Amino acid sequence: EAQVTQNPRYLITVTGKKLTVTCSQNMNHEYMSWYRQDPGLGLRQIYYSMNVEVTDKGDVPEGYKVSRKEKRNFPLILESPSPNQTSLYFCASRTWGSTDTQYFGPGTRLTVL
Amino acid sequence: GDSVTQMEGPVTLSEEAFLTINCTYTATGYPSLFWYVQYPGEGLQLLLKATKADDKGSNKGFEATYRKETTSFHLEKGSVQVSDSAVYFCALKNEMNQFYFGTGTSLTVIP
Repeated sequence: EAQVTQNPRYLITVTGKKLTVTCSQNMNHEYMSWYRQDPGLGLRQIYYSMNVEVTDKGDVPEGYKVSRKEKRNFPLILESPSPNQTSLYFCASRTWGSTDTQYFGPGTRLTVL
Repeated sequence: GDSVTQMEGPVTLSEEAFLTINCTYTATGYPSLFWYVQYPGEGLQLLLKATKADDKGSNKGFEATYRKETTSFHLEKGSVQVSDSAVYFCALKNEMNQFYFGTGTSLTVIP
């Protein structure tokens, strides 16, 4: 089954404690991205990657890091989380065609105390 | 820059009522347009799409027509069901392959 998986689904942490949210896709997609979803703001892109070892900033990259060492994985790293990073995070992947659509993971709800 | 504006919710309808969720966009060139649906506790799923002007996307009784003259892509359904309760996102993909999403419209359908 084609899917995007994220782990963990729920996470409560404290300010400053480094964390990683994993994302994996089994569709051999070149393009992967991370979004955060906040009430009234919709989805905003944090980082994206067009292929292995190629990453770039989205609209709200501050406080986040990513890596793309393998095509299927695209982890999101928060080196020193702060309360304003409390949000719902989605990983997404797609091909790079003209009519492609995005496939989303189930989301990770992060709370930073 | 490119952007999507959709009507604010929440929207509450009775079962079998007619649904319209407005969406307008700003983009240069010829974007592709999408509606995504997010059911409670889940990620976004593609509902329908249209890739050029005057195309009509349709799925599960939902429809939307790509209107370039009014830069709109309004979502409609003739008779909503309780199971349609979800958050609906309008989105565009521009010629640079970048996605932009609206803020989402929450729909609740009551029996």
